[in-house]
Amino acid sequence: QKEVEQDPGPLSVPEGAIVSLNCTYSNSAFQYFMWYRQYSRKGPELLMYTYSSGNKEDGRFTAQVDKSSKYISLFIRDSQPSDSATYLCALPNAGGTSYGKLTFGQGTILTVHP
Amino acid sequence: GAGVSQSPSNKVTEKGKDVELRCDPISGHTALYWYRQRLGQGLEFLIYFQGNSAPDKSGLPSDRFSAERTGESVSTLTIQRTQQEDSAVYLCASSVGAFAGGMDEQFFGPGTRLTVL
Repeated sequence: QKEVEQDPGPLSVPEGAIVSLNCTYSNSAFQYFMWYRQYSRKGPELLMYTYSSGNKEDGRFTAQVDKSSKYISLFIRDSQPSDSATYLCALPNAGGTSYGKLTFGQGTILTVHP
Repeated sequence: GAGVSQSPSNKVTEKGKDVELRCDPISGHTALYWYRQRLGQGLEFLIYFQGNSAPDKSGLPSDRFSAERTGESVSTLTIQRTQQEDSAVYLCASSVGAFAGGMDEQFFGPGTRLTVL
C-alpha cells in the first residue's frame, strides 16, 4: 500500500462546476497537508496547506483534513479553464533525517472546459 | 525575483551514457531536494540536502545515482550508465530549511526532462 493514495482521474468538468479532489494516507504522524498545482511542463507550485484537522479557505479553494479517517480534500468552487492542471496532495515529514521530505499522491489531472 | 533554476531543460541520451543534471536553488535556502516524476505519476523523493550534507539519500534508486551540493548553492545529480527506465522529469526544490520553524515551503524548479533511448 502506498503511503498516499490519490485518484489520477482524469477529471473533466464544465466551467463553473464545483470540483472535489481527494487523497487518503496511512501514516498518522503527518501534521501538515499540502496541495500543489502543476501546469503542463512546469514544476509544482504550492496552492495551499493546512495544519492538523479542519478547514482552510482561500478564495475559490477550500482544503479540508480529517485526521481521524486520514482523508484530505481540496474543493474548487466556480472552476475556471485556468484551473486546468494536475493537482497533487503532498505530506511533509515532520523531523528527523528526512525533515521536509514530501510524500506525494499520484496527482489528479483536471480539465475545466468553457 | 529569481526562483529555482535547472539545466538542461531537456536531455536526450543513449543508453549506457552518463548524465549530469544541475540545480540552482533560491539564494539563502539551506535545504535542497531532488525528486523524480515518471510519466503520469506523482513525484518520488530521491535525496535531501541540508547545507552540503545529505542526511537522507534513501530515495536514490540504485548506486548509479549520486548527487552532490557545493555549500548552500548548486547541486548536481549524476546518473551513470543510464537505462531506459531512468527516463523521467527530474525536479529540484529548495526551502529555507530545518530552522524555518513550522511549515517549510519547497519551491520547485521547472525540471529536466530526461529521455534515454
